[in-house]
Amino acid sequence: GNSVTQMEGPVTLSEEAFLTINCTYTATGYPSLFWYVQYPGEGLQLLLKATKADDKGSNKGFEATYRKETTSFHLEKGSVQVSDSAVYFCAHAQGGSEKLVFGKGTKLTVNP
Amino acid sequence: GAGVSQTPSNKVTEKGKYVELRCDPISGHTALYWYRQSLGQGPEFLIYFQGTGAADDSGLPNDRFFAVRPEGSVSTLKIQRTERGDSAVYLCASSSRGTSINEQFFGPGTRLTVL
Repeated sequence: GNSVTQMEGPVTLSEEAFLTINCTYTATGYPSLFWYVQYPGEGLQLLLKATKADDKGSNKGFEATYRKETTSFHLEKGSVQVSDSAVYFCAHAQGGSEKLVFGKGTKLTVNP
Repeated sequence: GAGVSQTPSNKVTEKGKYVELRCDPISGHTALYWYRQSLGQGPEFLIYFQGTGAADDSGLPNDRFFAVRPEGSVSTLKIQRTERGDSAVYLCASSSRGTSINEQFFGPGTRLTVL
């Protein structure tokens, strides 16, 4: 069935470190791919998205590239900040479907 | 205007009781979604409305769960004969068809605790 597998957390980094959170998906066809972020005490927010193969989504210094050959959508940021501390969720939506399928989430803590 | 709002923010009930959770979507959004998030897990889809009708209710776990959206705006998720396993955060999201694909805007959630 359709699923999303993302890197187990928690992840703890120092400020200005490089971040990668791995995400792979299982789906038929060409799903749209998303990263959502949940900051402490806040609701889920869309961070970035990609809707077709080789698309790169980017926002707030974060990037992820839709890799159909490896069914992956890894999240990266070159230099994290304390304010990036949050839980990050990878998700996909099957073509034509409205429902999002989420991974379990990866908690990121960035220390000064 | 304002984002998606959900009430109550917290609900504590006893096993076997009936509960209603309310969602106010962003004004003008025609699509509305309910998800359930258990501790340490990602949100799981429950049901999706397009306008007043449920377009996909495949995620509802059993017939104790029911949701309505009678006027195509506010939605209520209803849980009968609650069980301890129903304890979770219930999330509502809305989106506007015709804009960004599947960009769903989430509310803060209702934390349901069944004692």
